[in-house]
Amino acid sequence: AQSVTQPDIHITVSEGASLELRCNYSYGATPYLFWYVQSPGQGLQLLLKYFSGDTLVQGIKGFEAEFKRSQSSFNLRKPSVHWSDAAEYFCAVGGDTNAGKSTFGDGTTLTVKP
Amino acid sequence: NAGVTQTPKFRILKIGQSMTLQCTQDMNHNYMYWYRQDPGMGLKLIYYSVGAGITDKGEVPNGYNVSRSTTEDFPLRLELAAPSQTSVYFCASRGLAVGTDTQYFGPGTRLTVL
Repeated sequence: AQSVTQPDIHITVSEGASLELRCNYSYGATPYLFWYVQSPGQGLQLLLKYFSGDTLVQGIKGFEAEFKRSQSSFNLRKPSVHWSDAAEYFCAVGGDTNAGKSTFGDGTTLTVKP
Repeated sequence: NAGVTQTPKFRILKIGQSMTLQCTQDMNHNYMYWYRQDPGMGLKLIYYSVGAGITDKGEVPNGYNVSRSTTEDFPLRLELAAPSQTSVYFCASRGLAVGTDTQYFGPGTRLTVL
């Protein structure tokens, strides 16, 4: 069975500070990993994805994530947070098996202090 | 391309009423999915389809039905609405090609059952 754990329910950082959101996954085959962002009342926007190759992937809005197979992790990072980054962030795992279904974590809410 | 479209955007139902949430995609994707998102939670898979005429249950199918008569459309039917079905519903689709496991999401339908 596939699963995703986001250990931090809520994170608060100051504007300009660095950010790391944690994601641990369980998947029986080669995983595809995703980070999505959701602003209040909005749909999900894909930030970045990992399929294969370079384990450090770059996404939109200055975000990056690193795939660590040995730790079953796919943590999201940003060097300097902006107030507009305040949102809900979801990690997801999927693949080419199992009808391409993705499993989502419960999300991490990011608050940015001025 | 419009991508994935959902109607309606908002709906209030009374207990026991029924309704159909519409989902259409214009990307010729084989896979389609219905998720629900409860407050403060991630997405839970309700039903999915791997092609026209083929559907299957996800994690939380009780109280819902789906059909897939065409590649483009994947309506979700709620019979006998209950307050527990108050949620935001997202439809998604993805292509069949290996290595392209990116789900494209619609904007969501916010449903309240009173």
